[in-house]
Amino acid sequence: GQQVMQIPQYQHVQEGEDFTTYCNSSTTLSNIQWYKQRPGGHPVFLIQLVKSGEVKKQKRLTFQFGEAKKNSSLHITATQTTDVGTYFCAPTGNQFYFGTGTSLTVIP
Amino acid sequence: DSGVTQTPKHLITATGQRVTLRCSPRSGDLSVYWYQQSLDQGLQFLIQYYNGEERAKGNILERFSAQQFPDLHSELNLSSLELGDSALYFCASSVEGGAANEKLFFGSGTQLSVL
Repeated sequence: GQQVMQIPQYQHVQEGEDFTTYCNSSTTLSNIQWYKQRPGGHPVFLIQLVKSGEVKKQKRLTFQFGEAKKNSSLHITATQTTDVGTYFCAPTGNQFYFGTGTSLTVIP
Repeated sequence: DSGVTQTPKHLITATGQRVTLRCSPRSGDLSVYWYQQSLDQGLQFLIQYYNGEERAKGNILERFSAQQFPDLHSELNLSSLELGDSALYFCASSVEGGAANEKLFFGSGTQLSVL
């Protein structure tokens, strides 16, 4: 299956700071999805990116798909304590493999 | 509430034992996926079923097996349990299991502790 690496593995930020996680693949991806898992919770779908260079926004979250469709990023502007959790990317297709995840801690 | 139901929520057992985890997908979803998440680890894909048939296999040990029944619920059987099998096991479902625009809906998971 397609394997993707996410960096960083962990990120601690002060509330109000920005945060970015990167998802990198060695192969070209068809589509990519992002999920969020709150502490003690289960992964929840956030968004799907399909087109090369696509940018989508959800309030303070900005998702990008690279031009070569080999990488993607999630940027959070002015983090809040509600943003705490682990963010996973997942290339879509016949098998749902997830990236290694980035765990975000927001310090009030 | 995702609509995916997993039971039990917690399971404590001993090494060498066998357990069964159960998952009921969202109404209308034909595909079920099983994932293992160890402490501070990512989501390891184990296996996928679609409409009763195995569709894809991931990093599933030979001691583990799964099936999907005619009513579409699925069971994950873990046998000869080892300490390292302690983890959170998630089930997820999707409508078809492979379409480009499908997203997964996860259950709340079963926390397995092997002592």
